[in-house]
Amino acid sequence: DIQMTQSPSSLSASVGDRVTITCRASQNIDRYLNWYQQKAGKAPKLLIYAASSLQSRVPSRFSGSGSGTDFTLTITSLQPEDFATYYCQQSHSIPYTFGQGTKLEIK
Amino acid sequence: QVQLQESGPGLVKPSQTLSLTCTVSGGSISSVGYYWSWIRQHPGKGLEWIGYIYYSGSTYYNPSLKSRVTISVDTSKNQFSLKMTSVTAADTAVYYCARKLEPHAFDIWGQGTMVTVSS
Repeated sequence: DIQMTQSPSSLSASVGDRVTITCRASQNIDRYLNWYQQKAGKAPKLLIYAASSLQSRVPSRFSGSGSGTDFTLTITSLQPEDFATYYCQQSHSIPYTFGQGTKLEIK
Repeated sequence: QVQLQESGPGLVKPSQTLSLTCTVSGGSISSVGYYWSWIRQHPGKGLEWIGYIYYSGSTYYNPSLKSRVTISVDTSKNQFSLKMTSVTAADTAVYYCARKLEPHAFDIWGQGTMVTVSS
């Protein structure tokens, strides 16, 4: 199985900040990397697919980059509704696997 | 717009079979290019892909669960289902159904249903 490792596991930031979350795959996954946002008690929501493509109706302050084994999710100008847990997920090989999550909290 | 809704028992006894159904509304389960998936999340933990099915009936499972899992589709009802046998407390989780647009992401999710395995 491809292991997905996110860092940091948790992050404190303020409204208006720029934050970056990193995801590393245990082997080359090209650009088959997706990012999700999950709020407490809710289903995950797709933000970014294919490493850098913004899902429909997702604000442009979210962006993704990377290829191969190293990827980043960047949120510019944090909004109150952005405080949540973020997961990366590889869609290169079965079984599809997720990172352990990054919890973004208000400072 | 397409919506997914899970249904099934919230409590299952150990060693019994967990059965869940996902109903697809606002679109056809027979749409080309979409795979219909089950994903679970243990309490306070991360996400685990269980498997998925294409409308033709082709299935793909997580090898870690393959021996206990069956996913089926009923195109006439626009539904797909999960059966997991011989459950234990370790199968207690929120179970989500989701749509996967090949070759990429799970773009639409159900709200999730909590299943507790307990006697």
